[in-house]
Amino acid sequence: DVKVTQSSRYLVKRTGEKVFLECVQDMDHENMFWYRQDPGLGLRLIYFSYDVKMKEKGDIPEGYSVSREKKERFSLILESASTNQTSMYLCASSPKREGLGEQYFGPGTRLTVT
Amino acid sequence: GQSLEQPSEVTAVEGAIVQINCTYQTSGFYGLSWYQQHDGGAPTFLSYNGLDGLEETGRFSSFLSRSDSYGYLLLQELQMKDSASYFCAVRDPYGQNFVFGPGTRLSVLP
Repeated sequence: DVKVTQSSRYLVKRTGEKVFLECVQDMDHENMFWYRQDPGLGLRLIYFSYDVKMKEKGDIPEGYSVSREKKERFSLILESASTNQTSMYLCASSPKREGLGEQYFGPGTRLTVT
Repeated sequence: GQSLEQPSEVTAVEGAIVQINCTYQTSGFYGLSWYQQHDGGAPTFLSYNGLDGLEETGRFSSFLSRSDSYGYLLLQELQMKDSASYFCAVRDPYGQNFVFGPGTRLSVLP
C-alpha cells in the first residue's frame, strides 16, 4: 500500500517567516510533486522532481523552492511566507513507468499565513 | 500546453447514474486519469485510459475517445459517499508531470 506522508496537517505562520513542508513516500517512486489547491482553481503544480537532486518548475513556482536530497523525501520551502500563500499544499509521488496514469497523494498541509 | 474542461457541478439522486465529462486540448497525449477527492481529503486515483474505449472498475467506468479529445467518468448506483469532487488529468507528453482539470463537484441527494 503506497504511503505518502506530510509533516503537518495544519500550520500557521507569520508573514516573512521561512516555512518548510516535508513529504516522504515509501514506494521508491522516482517522481515527486508539490501542488497547491485553492477553491475554484483546482490543483496547480508548483514544482516536481524526477530524480534525486533534480527539480523542474511547474506552473506557479514563484515564491517557492524545493529540495530533494534523498529519493523518498521532497521538501517545499517558502523563503518568505506571504498571505497569498495561504492554501492547501498537496504532495504526490508516481513511478516513472510509462503507460501509467496514477499519482499517490499525501493528506495535505493546510497552511495559513497571517 | 495542456488545458482541460469539466463541468463545475453535477447533482444526482441515490441509485442513479451520472456522467462527468472532460474535454482536453494537449500538444501530445499519454492518457486520461480520474481522481476523487472528498472534502478535507486528498485526491485518490480512480482510473486511467491510455487507449480509446471503456474501462470498468466496479460501479465506476471511464471512457476515452482520443479522436474527439474527450473522456468521461460514469458512476453507477450512486451512493451518498460518492459526493465528492472529481478531477480528470493528463500526463505531460514531454515530461513526468500531470495537468489537472478544474474539478467537478458531485452532490448525491437522498
